Amino acid sequence: KQEVTQIPAALSVPEGENLVLNCSFTDSAIYNLQWFRQDPGKGLTSLLLIQSSQREQTSGRLNASLDKSSGRSTLYIAASQPGDSATYLCAVAHGGATNKLIFGTGTLLAVQP
Amino acid sequence: NAGVTQTPKFRILKIGQSMTLQCTQDMNHNYMYWYRQDPGMGLKLIYYSVGAGITDKGEVPNGYNVSRSTTEDFPLRLELAAPSQTSVYFCASSYSKGGGLAGPRGETQYFGPGTRLLVL
Repeated sequence: KQEVTQIPAALSVPEGENLVLNCSFTDSAIYNLQWFRQDPGKGLTSLLLIQSSQREQTSGRLNASLDKSSGRSTLYIAASQPGDSATYLCAVAHGGATNKLIFGTGTLLAVQP
Repeated sequence: NAGVTQTPKFRILKIGQSMTLQCTQDMNHNYMYWYRQDPGMGLKLIYYSVGAGITDKGEVPNGYNVSRSTTEDFPLRLELAAPSQTSVYFCASSYSKGGGLAGPRGETQYFGPGTRLLVL
């Protein structure tokens, strides 16, 4: 059974710091991995999607990497800003007969001004 | 485009009551999904649909029903509400060229703002 874990559960950093969020999954048979942002009381916004054949994707200050063989992904946020404060969720599109997104429990990020 | 809209935003139900959570998307997406998110947890898939008239169970379907009569709408029905169904419910949609119940291979999903449900 595919399980997705995110560490740390919560993170507080001062504004301007570079930071890394971690996501690990137990079964490497994935089609892709996605990072989402969730603001309090809101839905999810897709940030980056990495196909299983790719190693990384970049969007602005965000960079996501994928190492399928080790079952790990990282989301790197450069020069963090208070507006980056949110919960970050990773999800894998799992292979097999039921292709669906399996979500991690998220990392709550607080960027202090 | 309004994207994915959900109603109501918040609802309190008594045990045993029924209700329908509404979801509409205006992006002409073929796939639609219902998830629930419990406090401190990730999202779990309840049901999904690959097109009008076709639905299938996700990870946690018990206690719920769905229908998909049009491309735009994907309502979720709770027949006999239980305290265990207290959660935040998210509807999502995506477009995929892939077909069938095997799923969309995880293309980007667009989420609604959620419905917060409290069952007492």
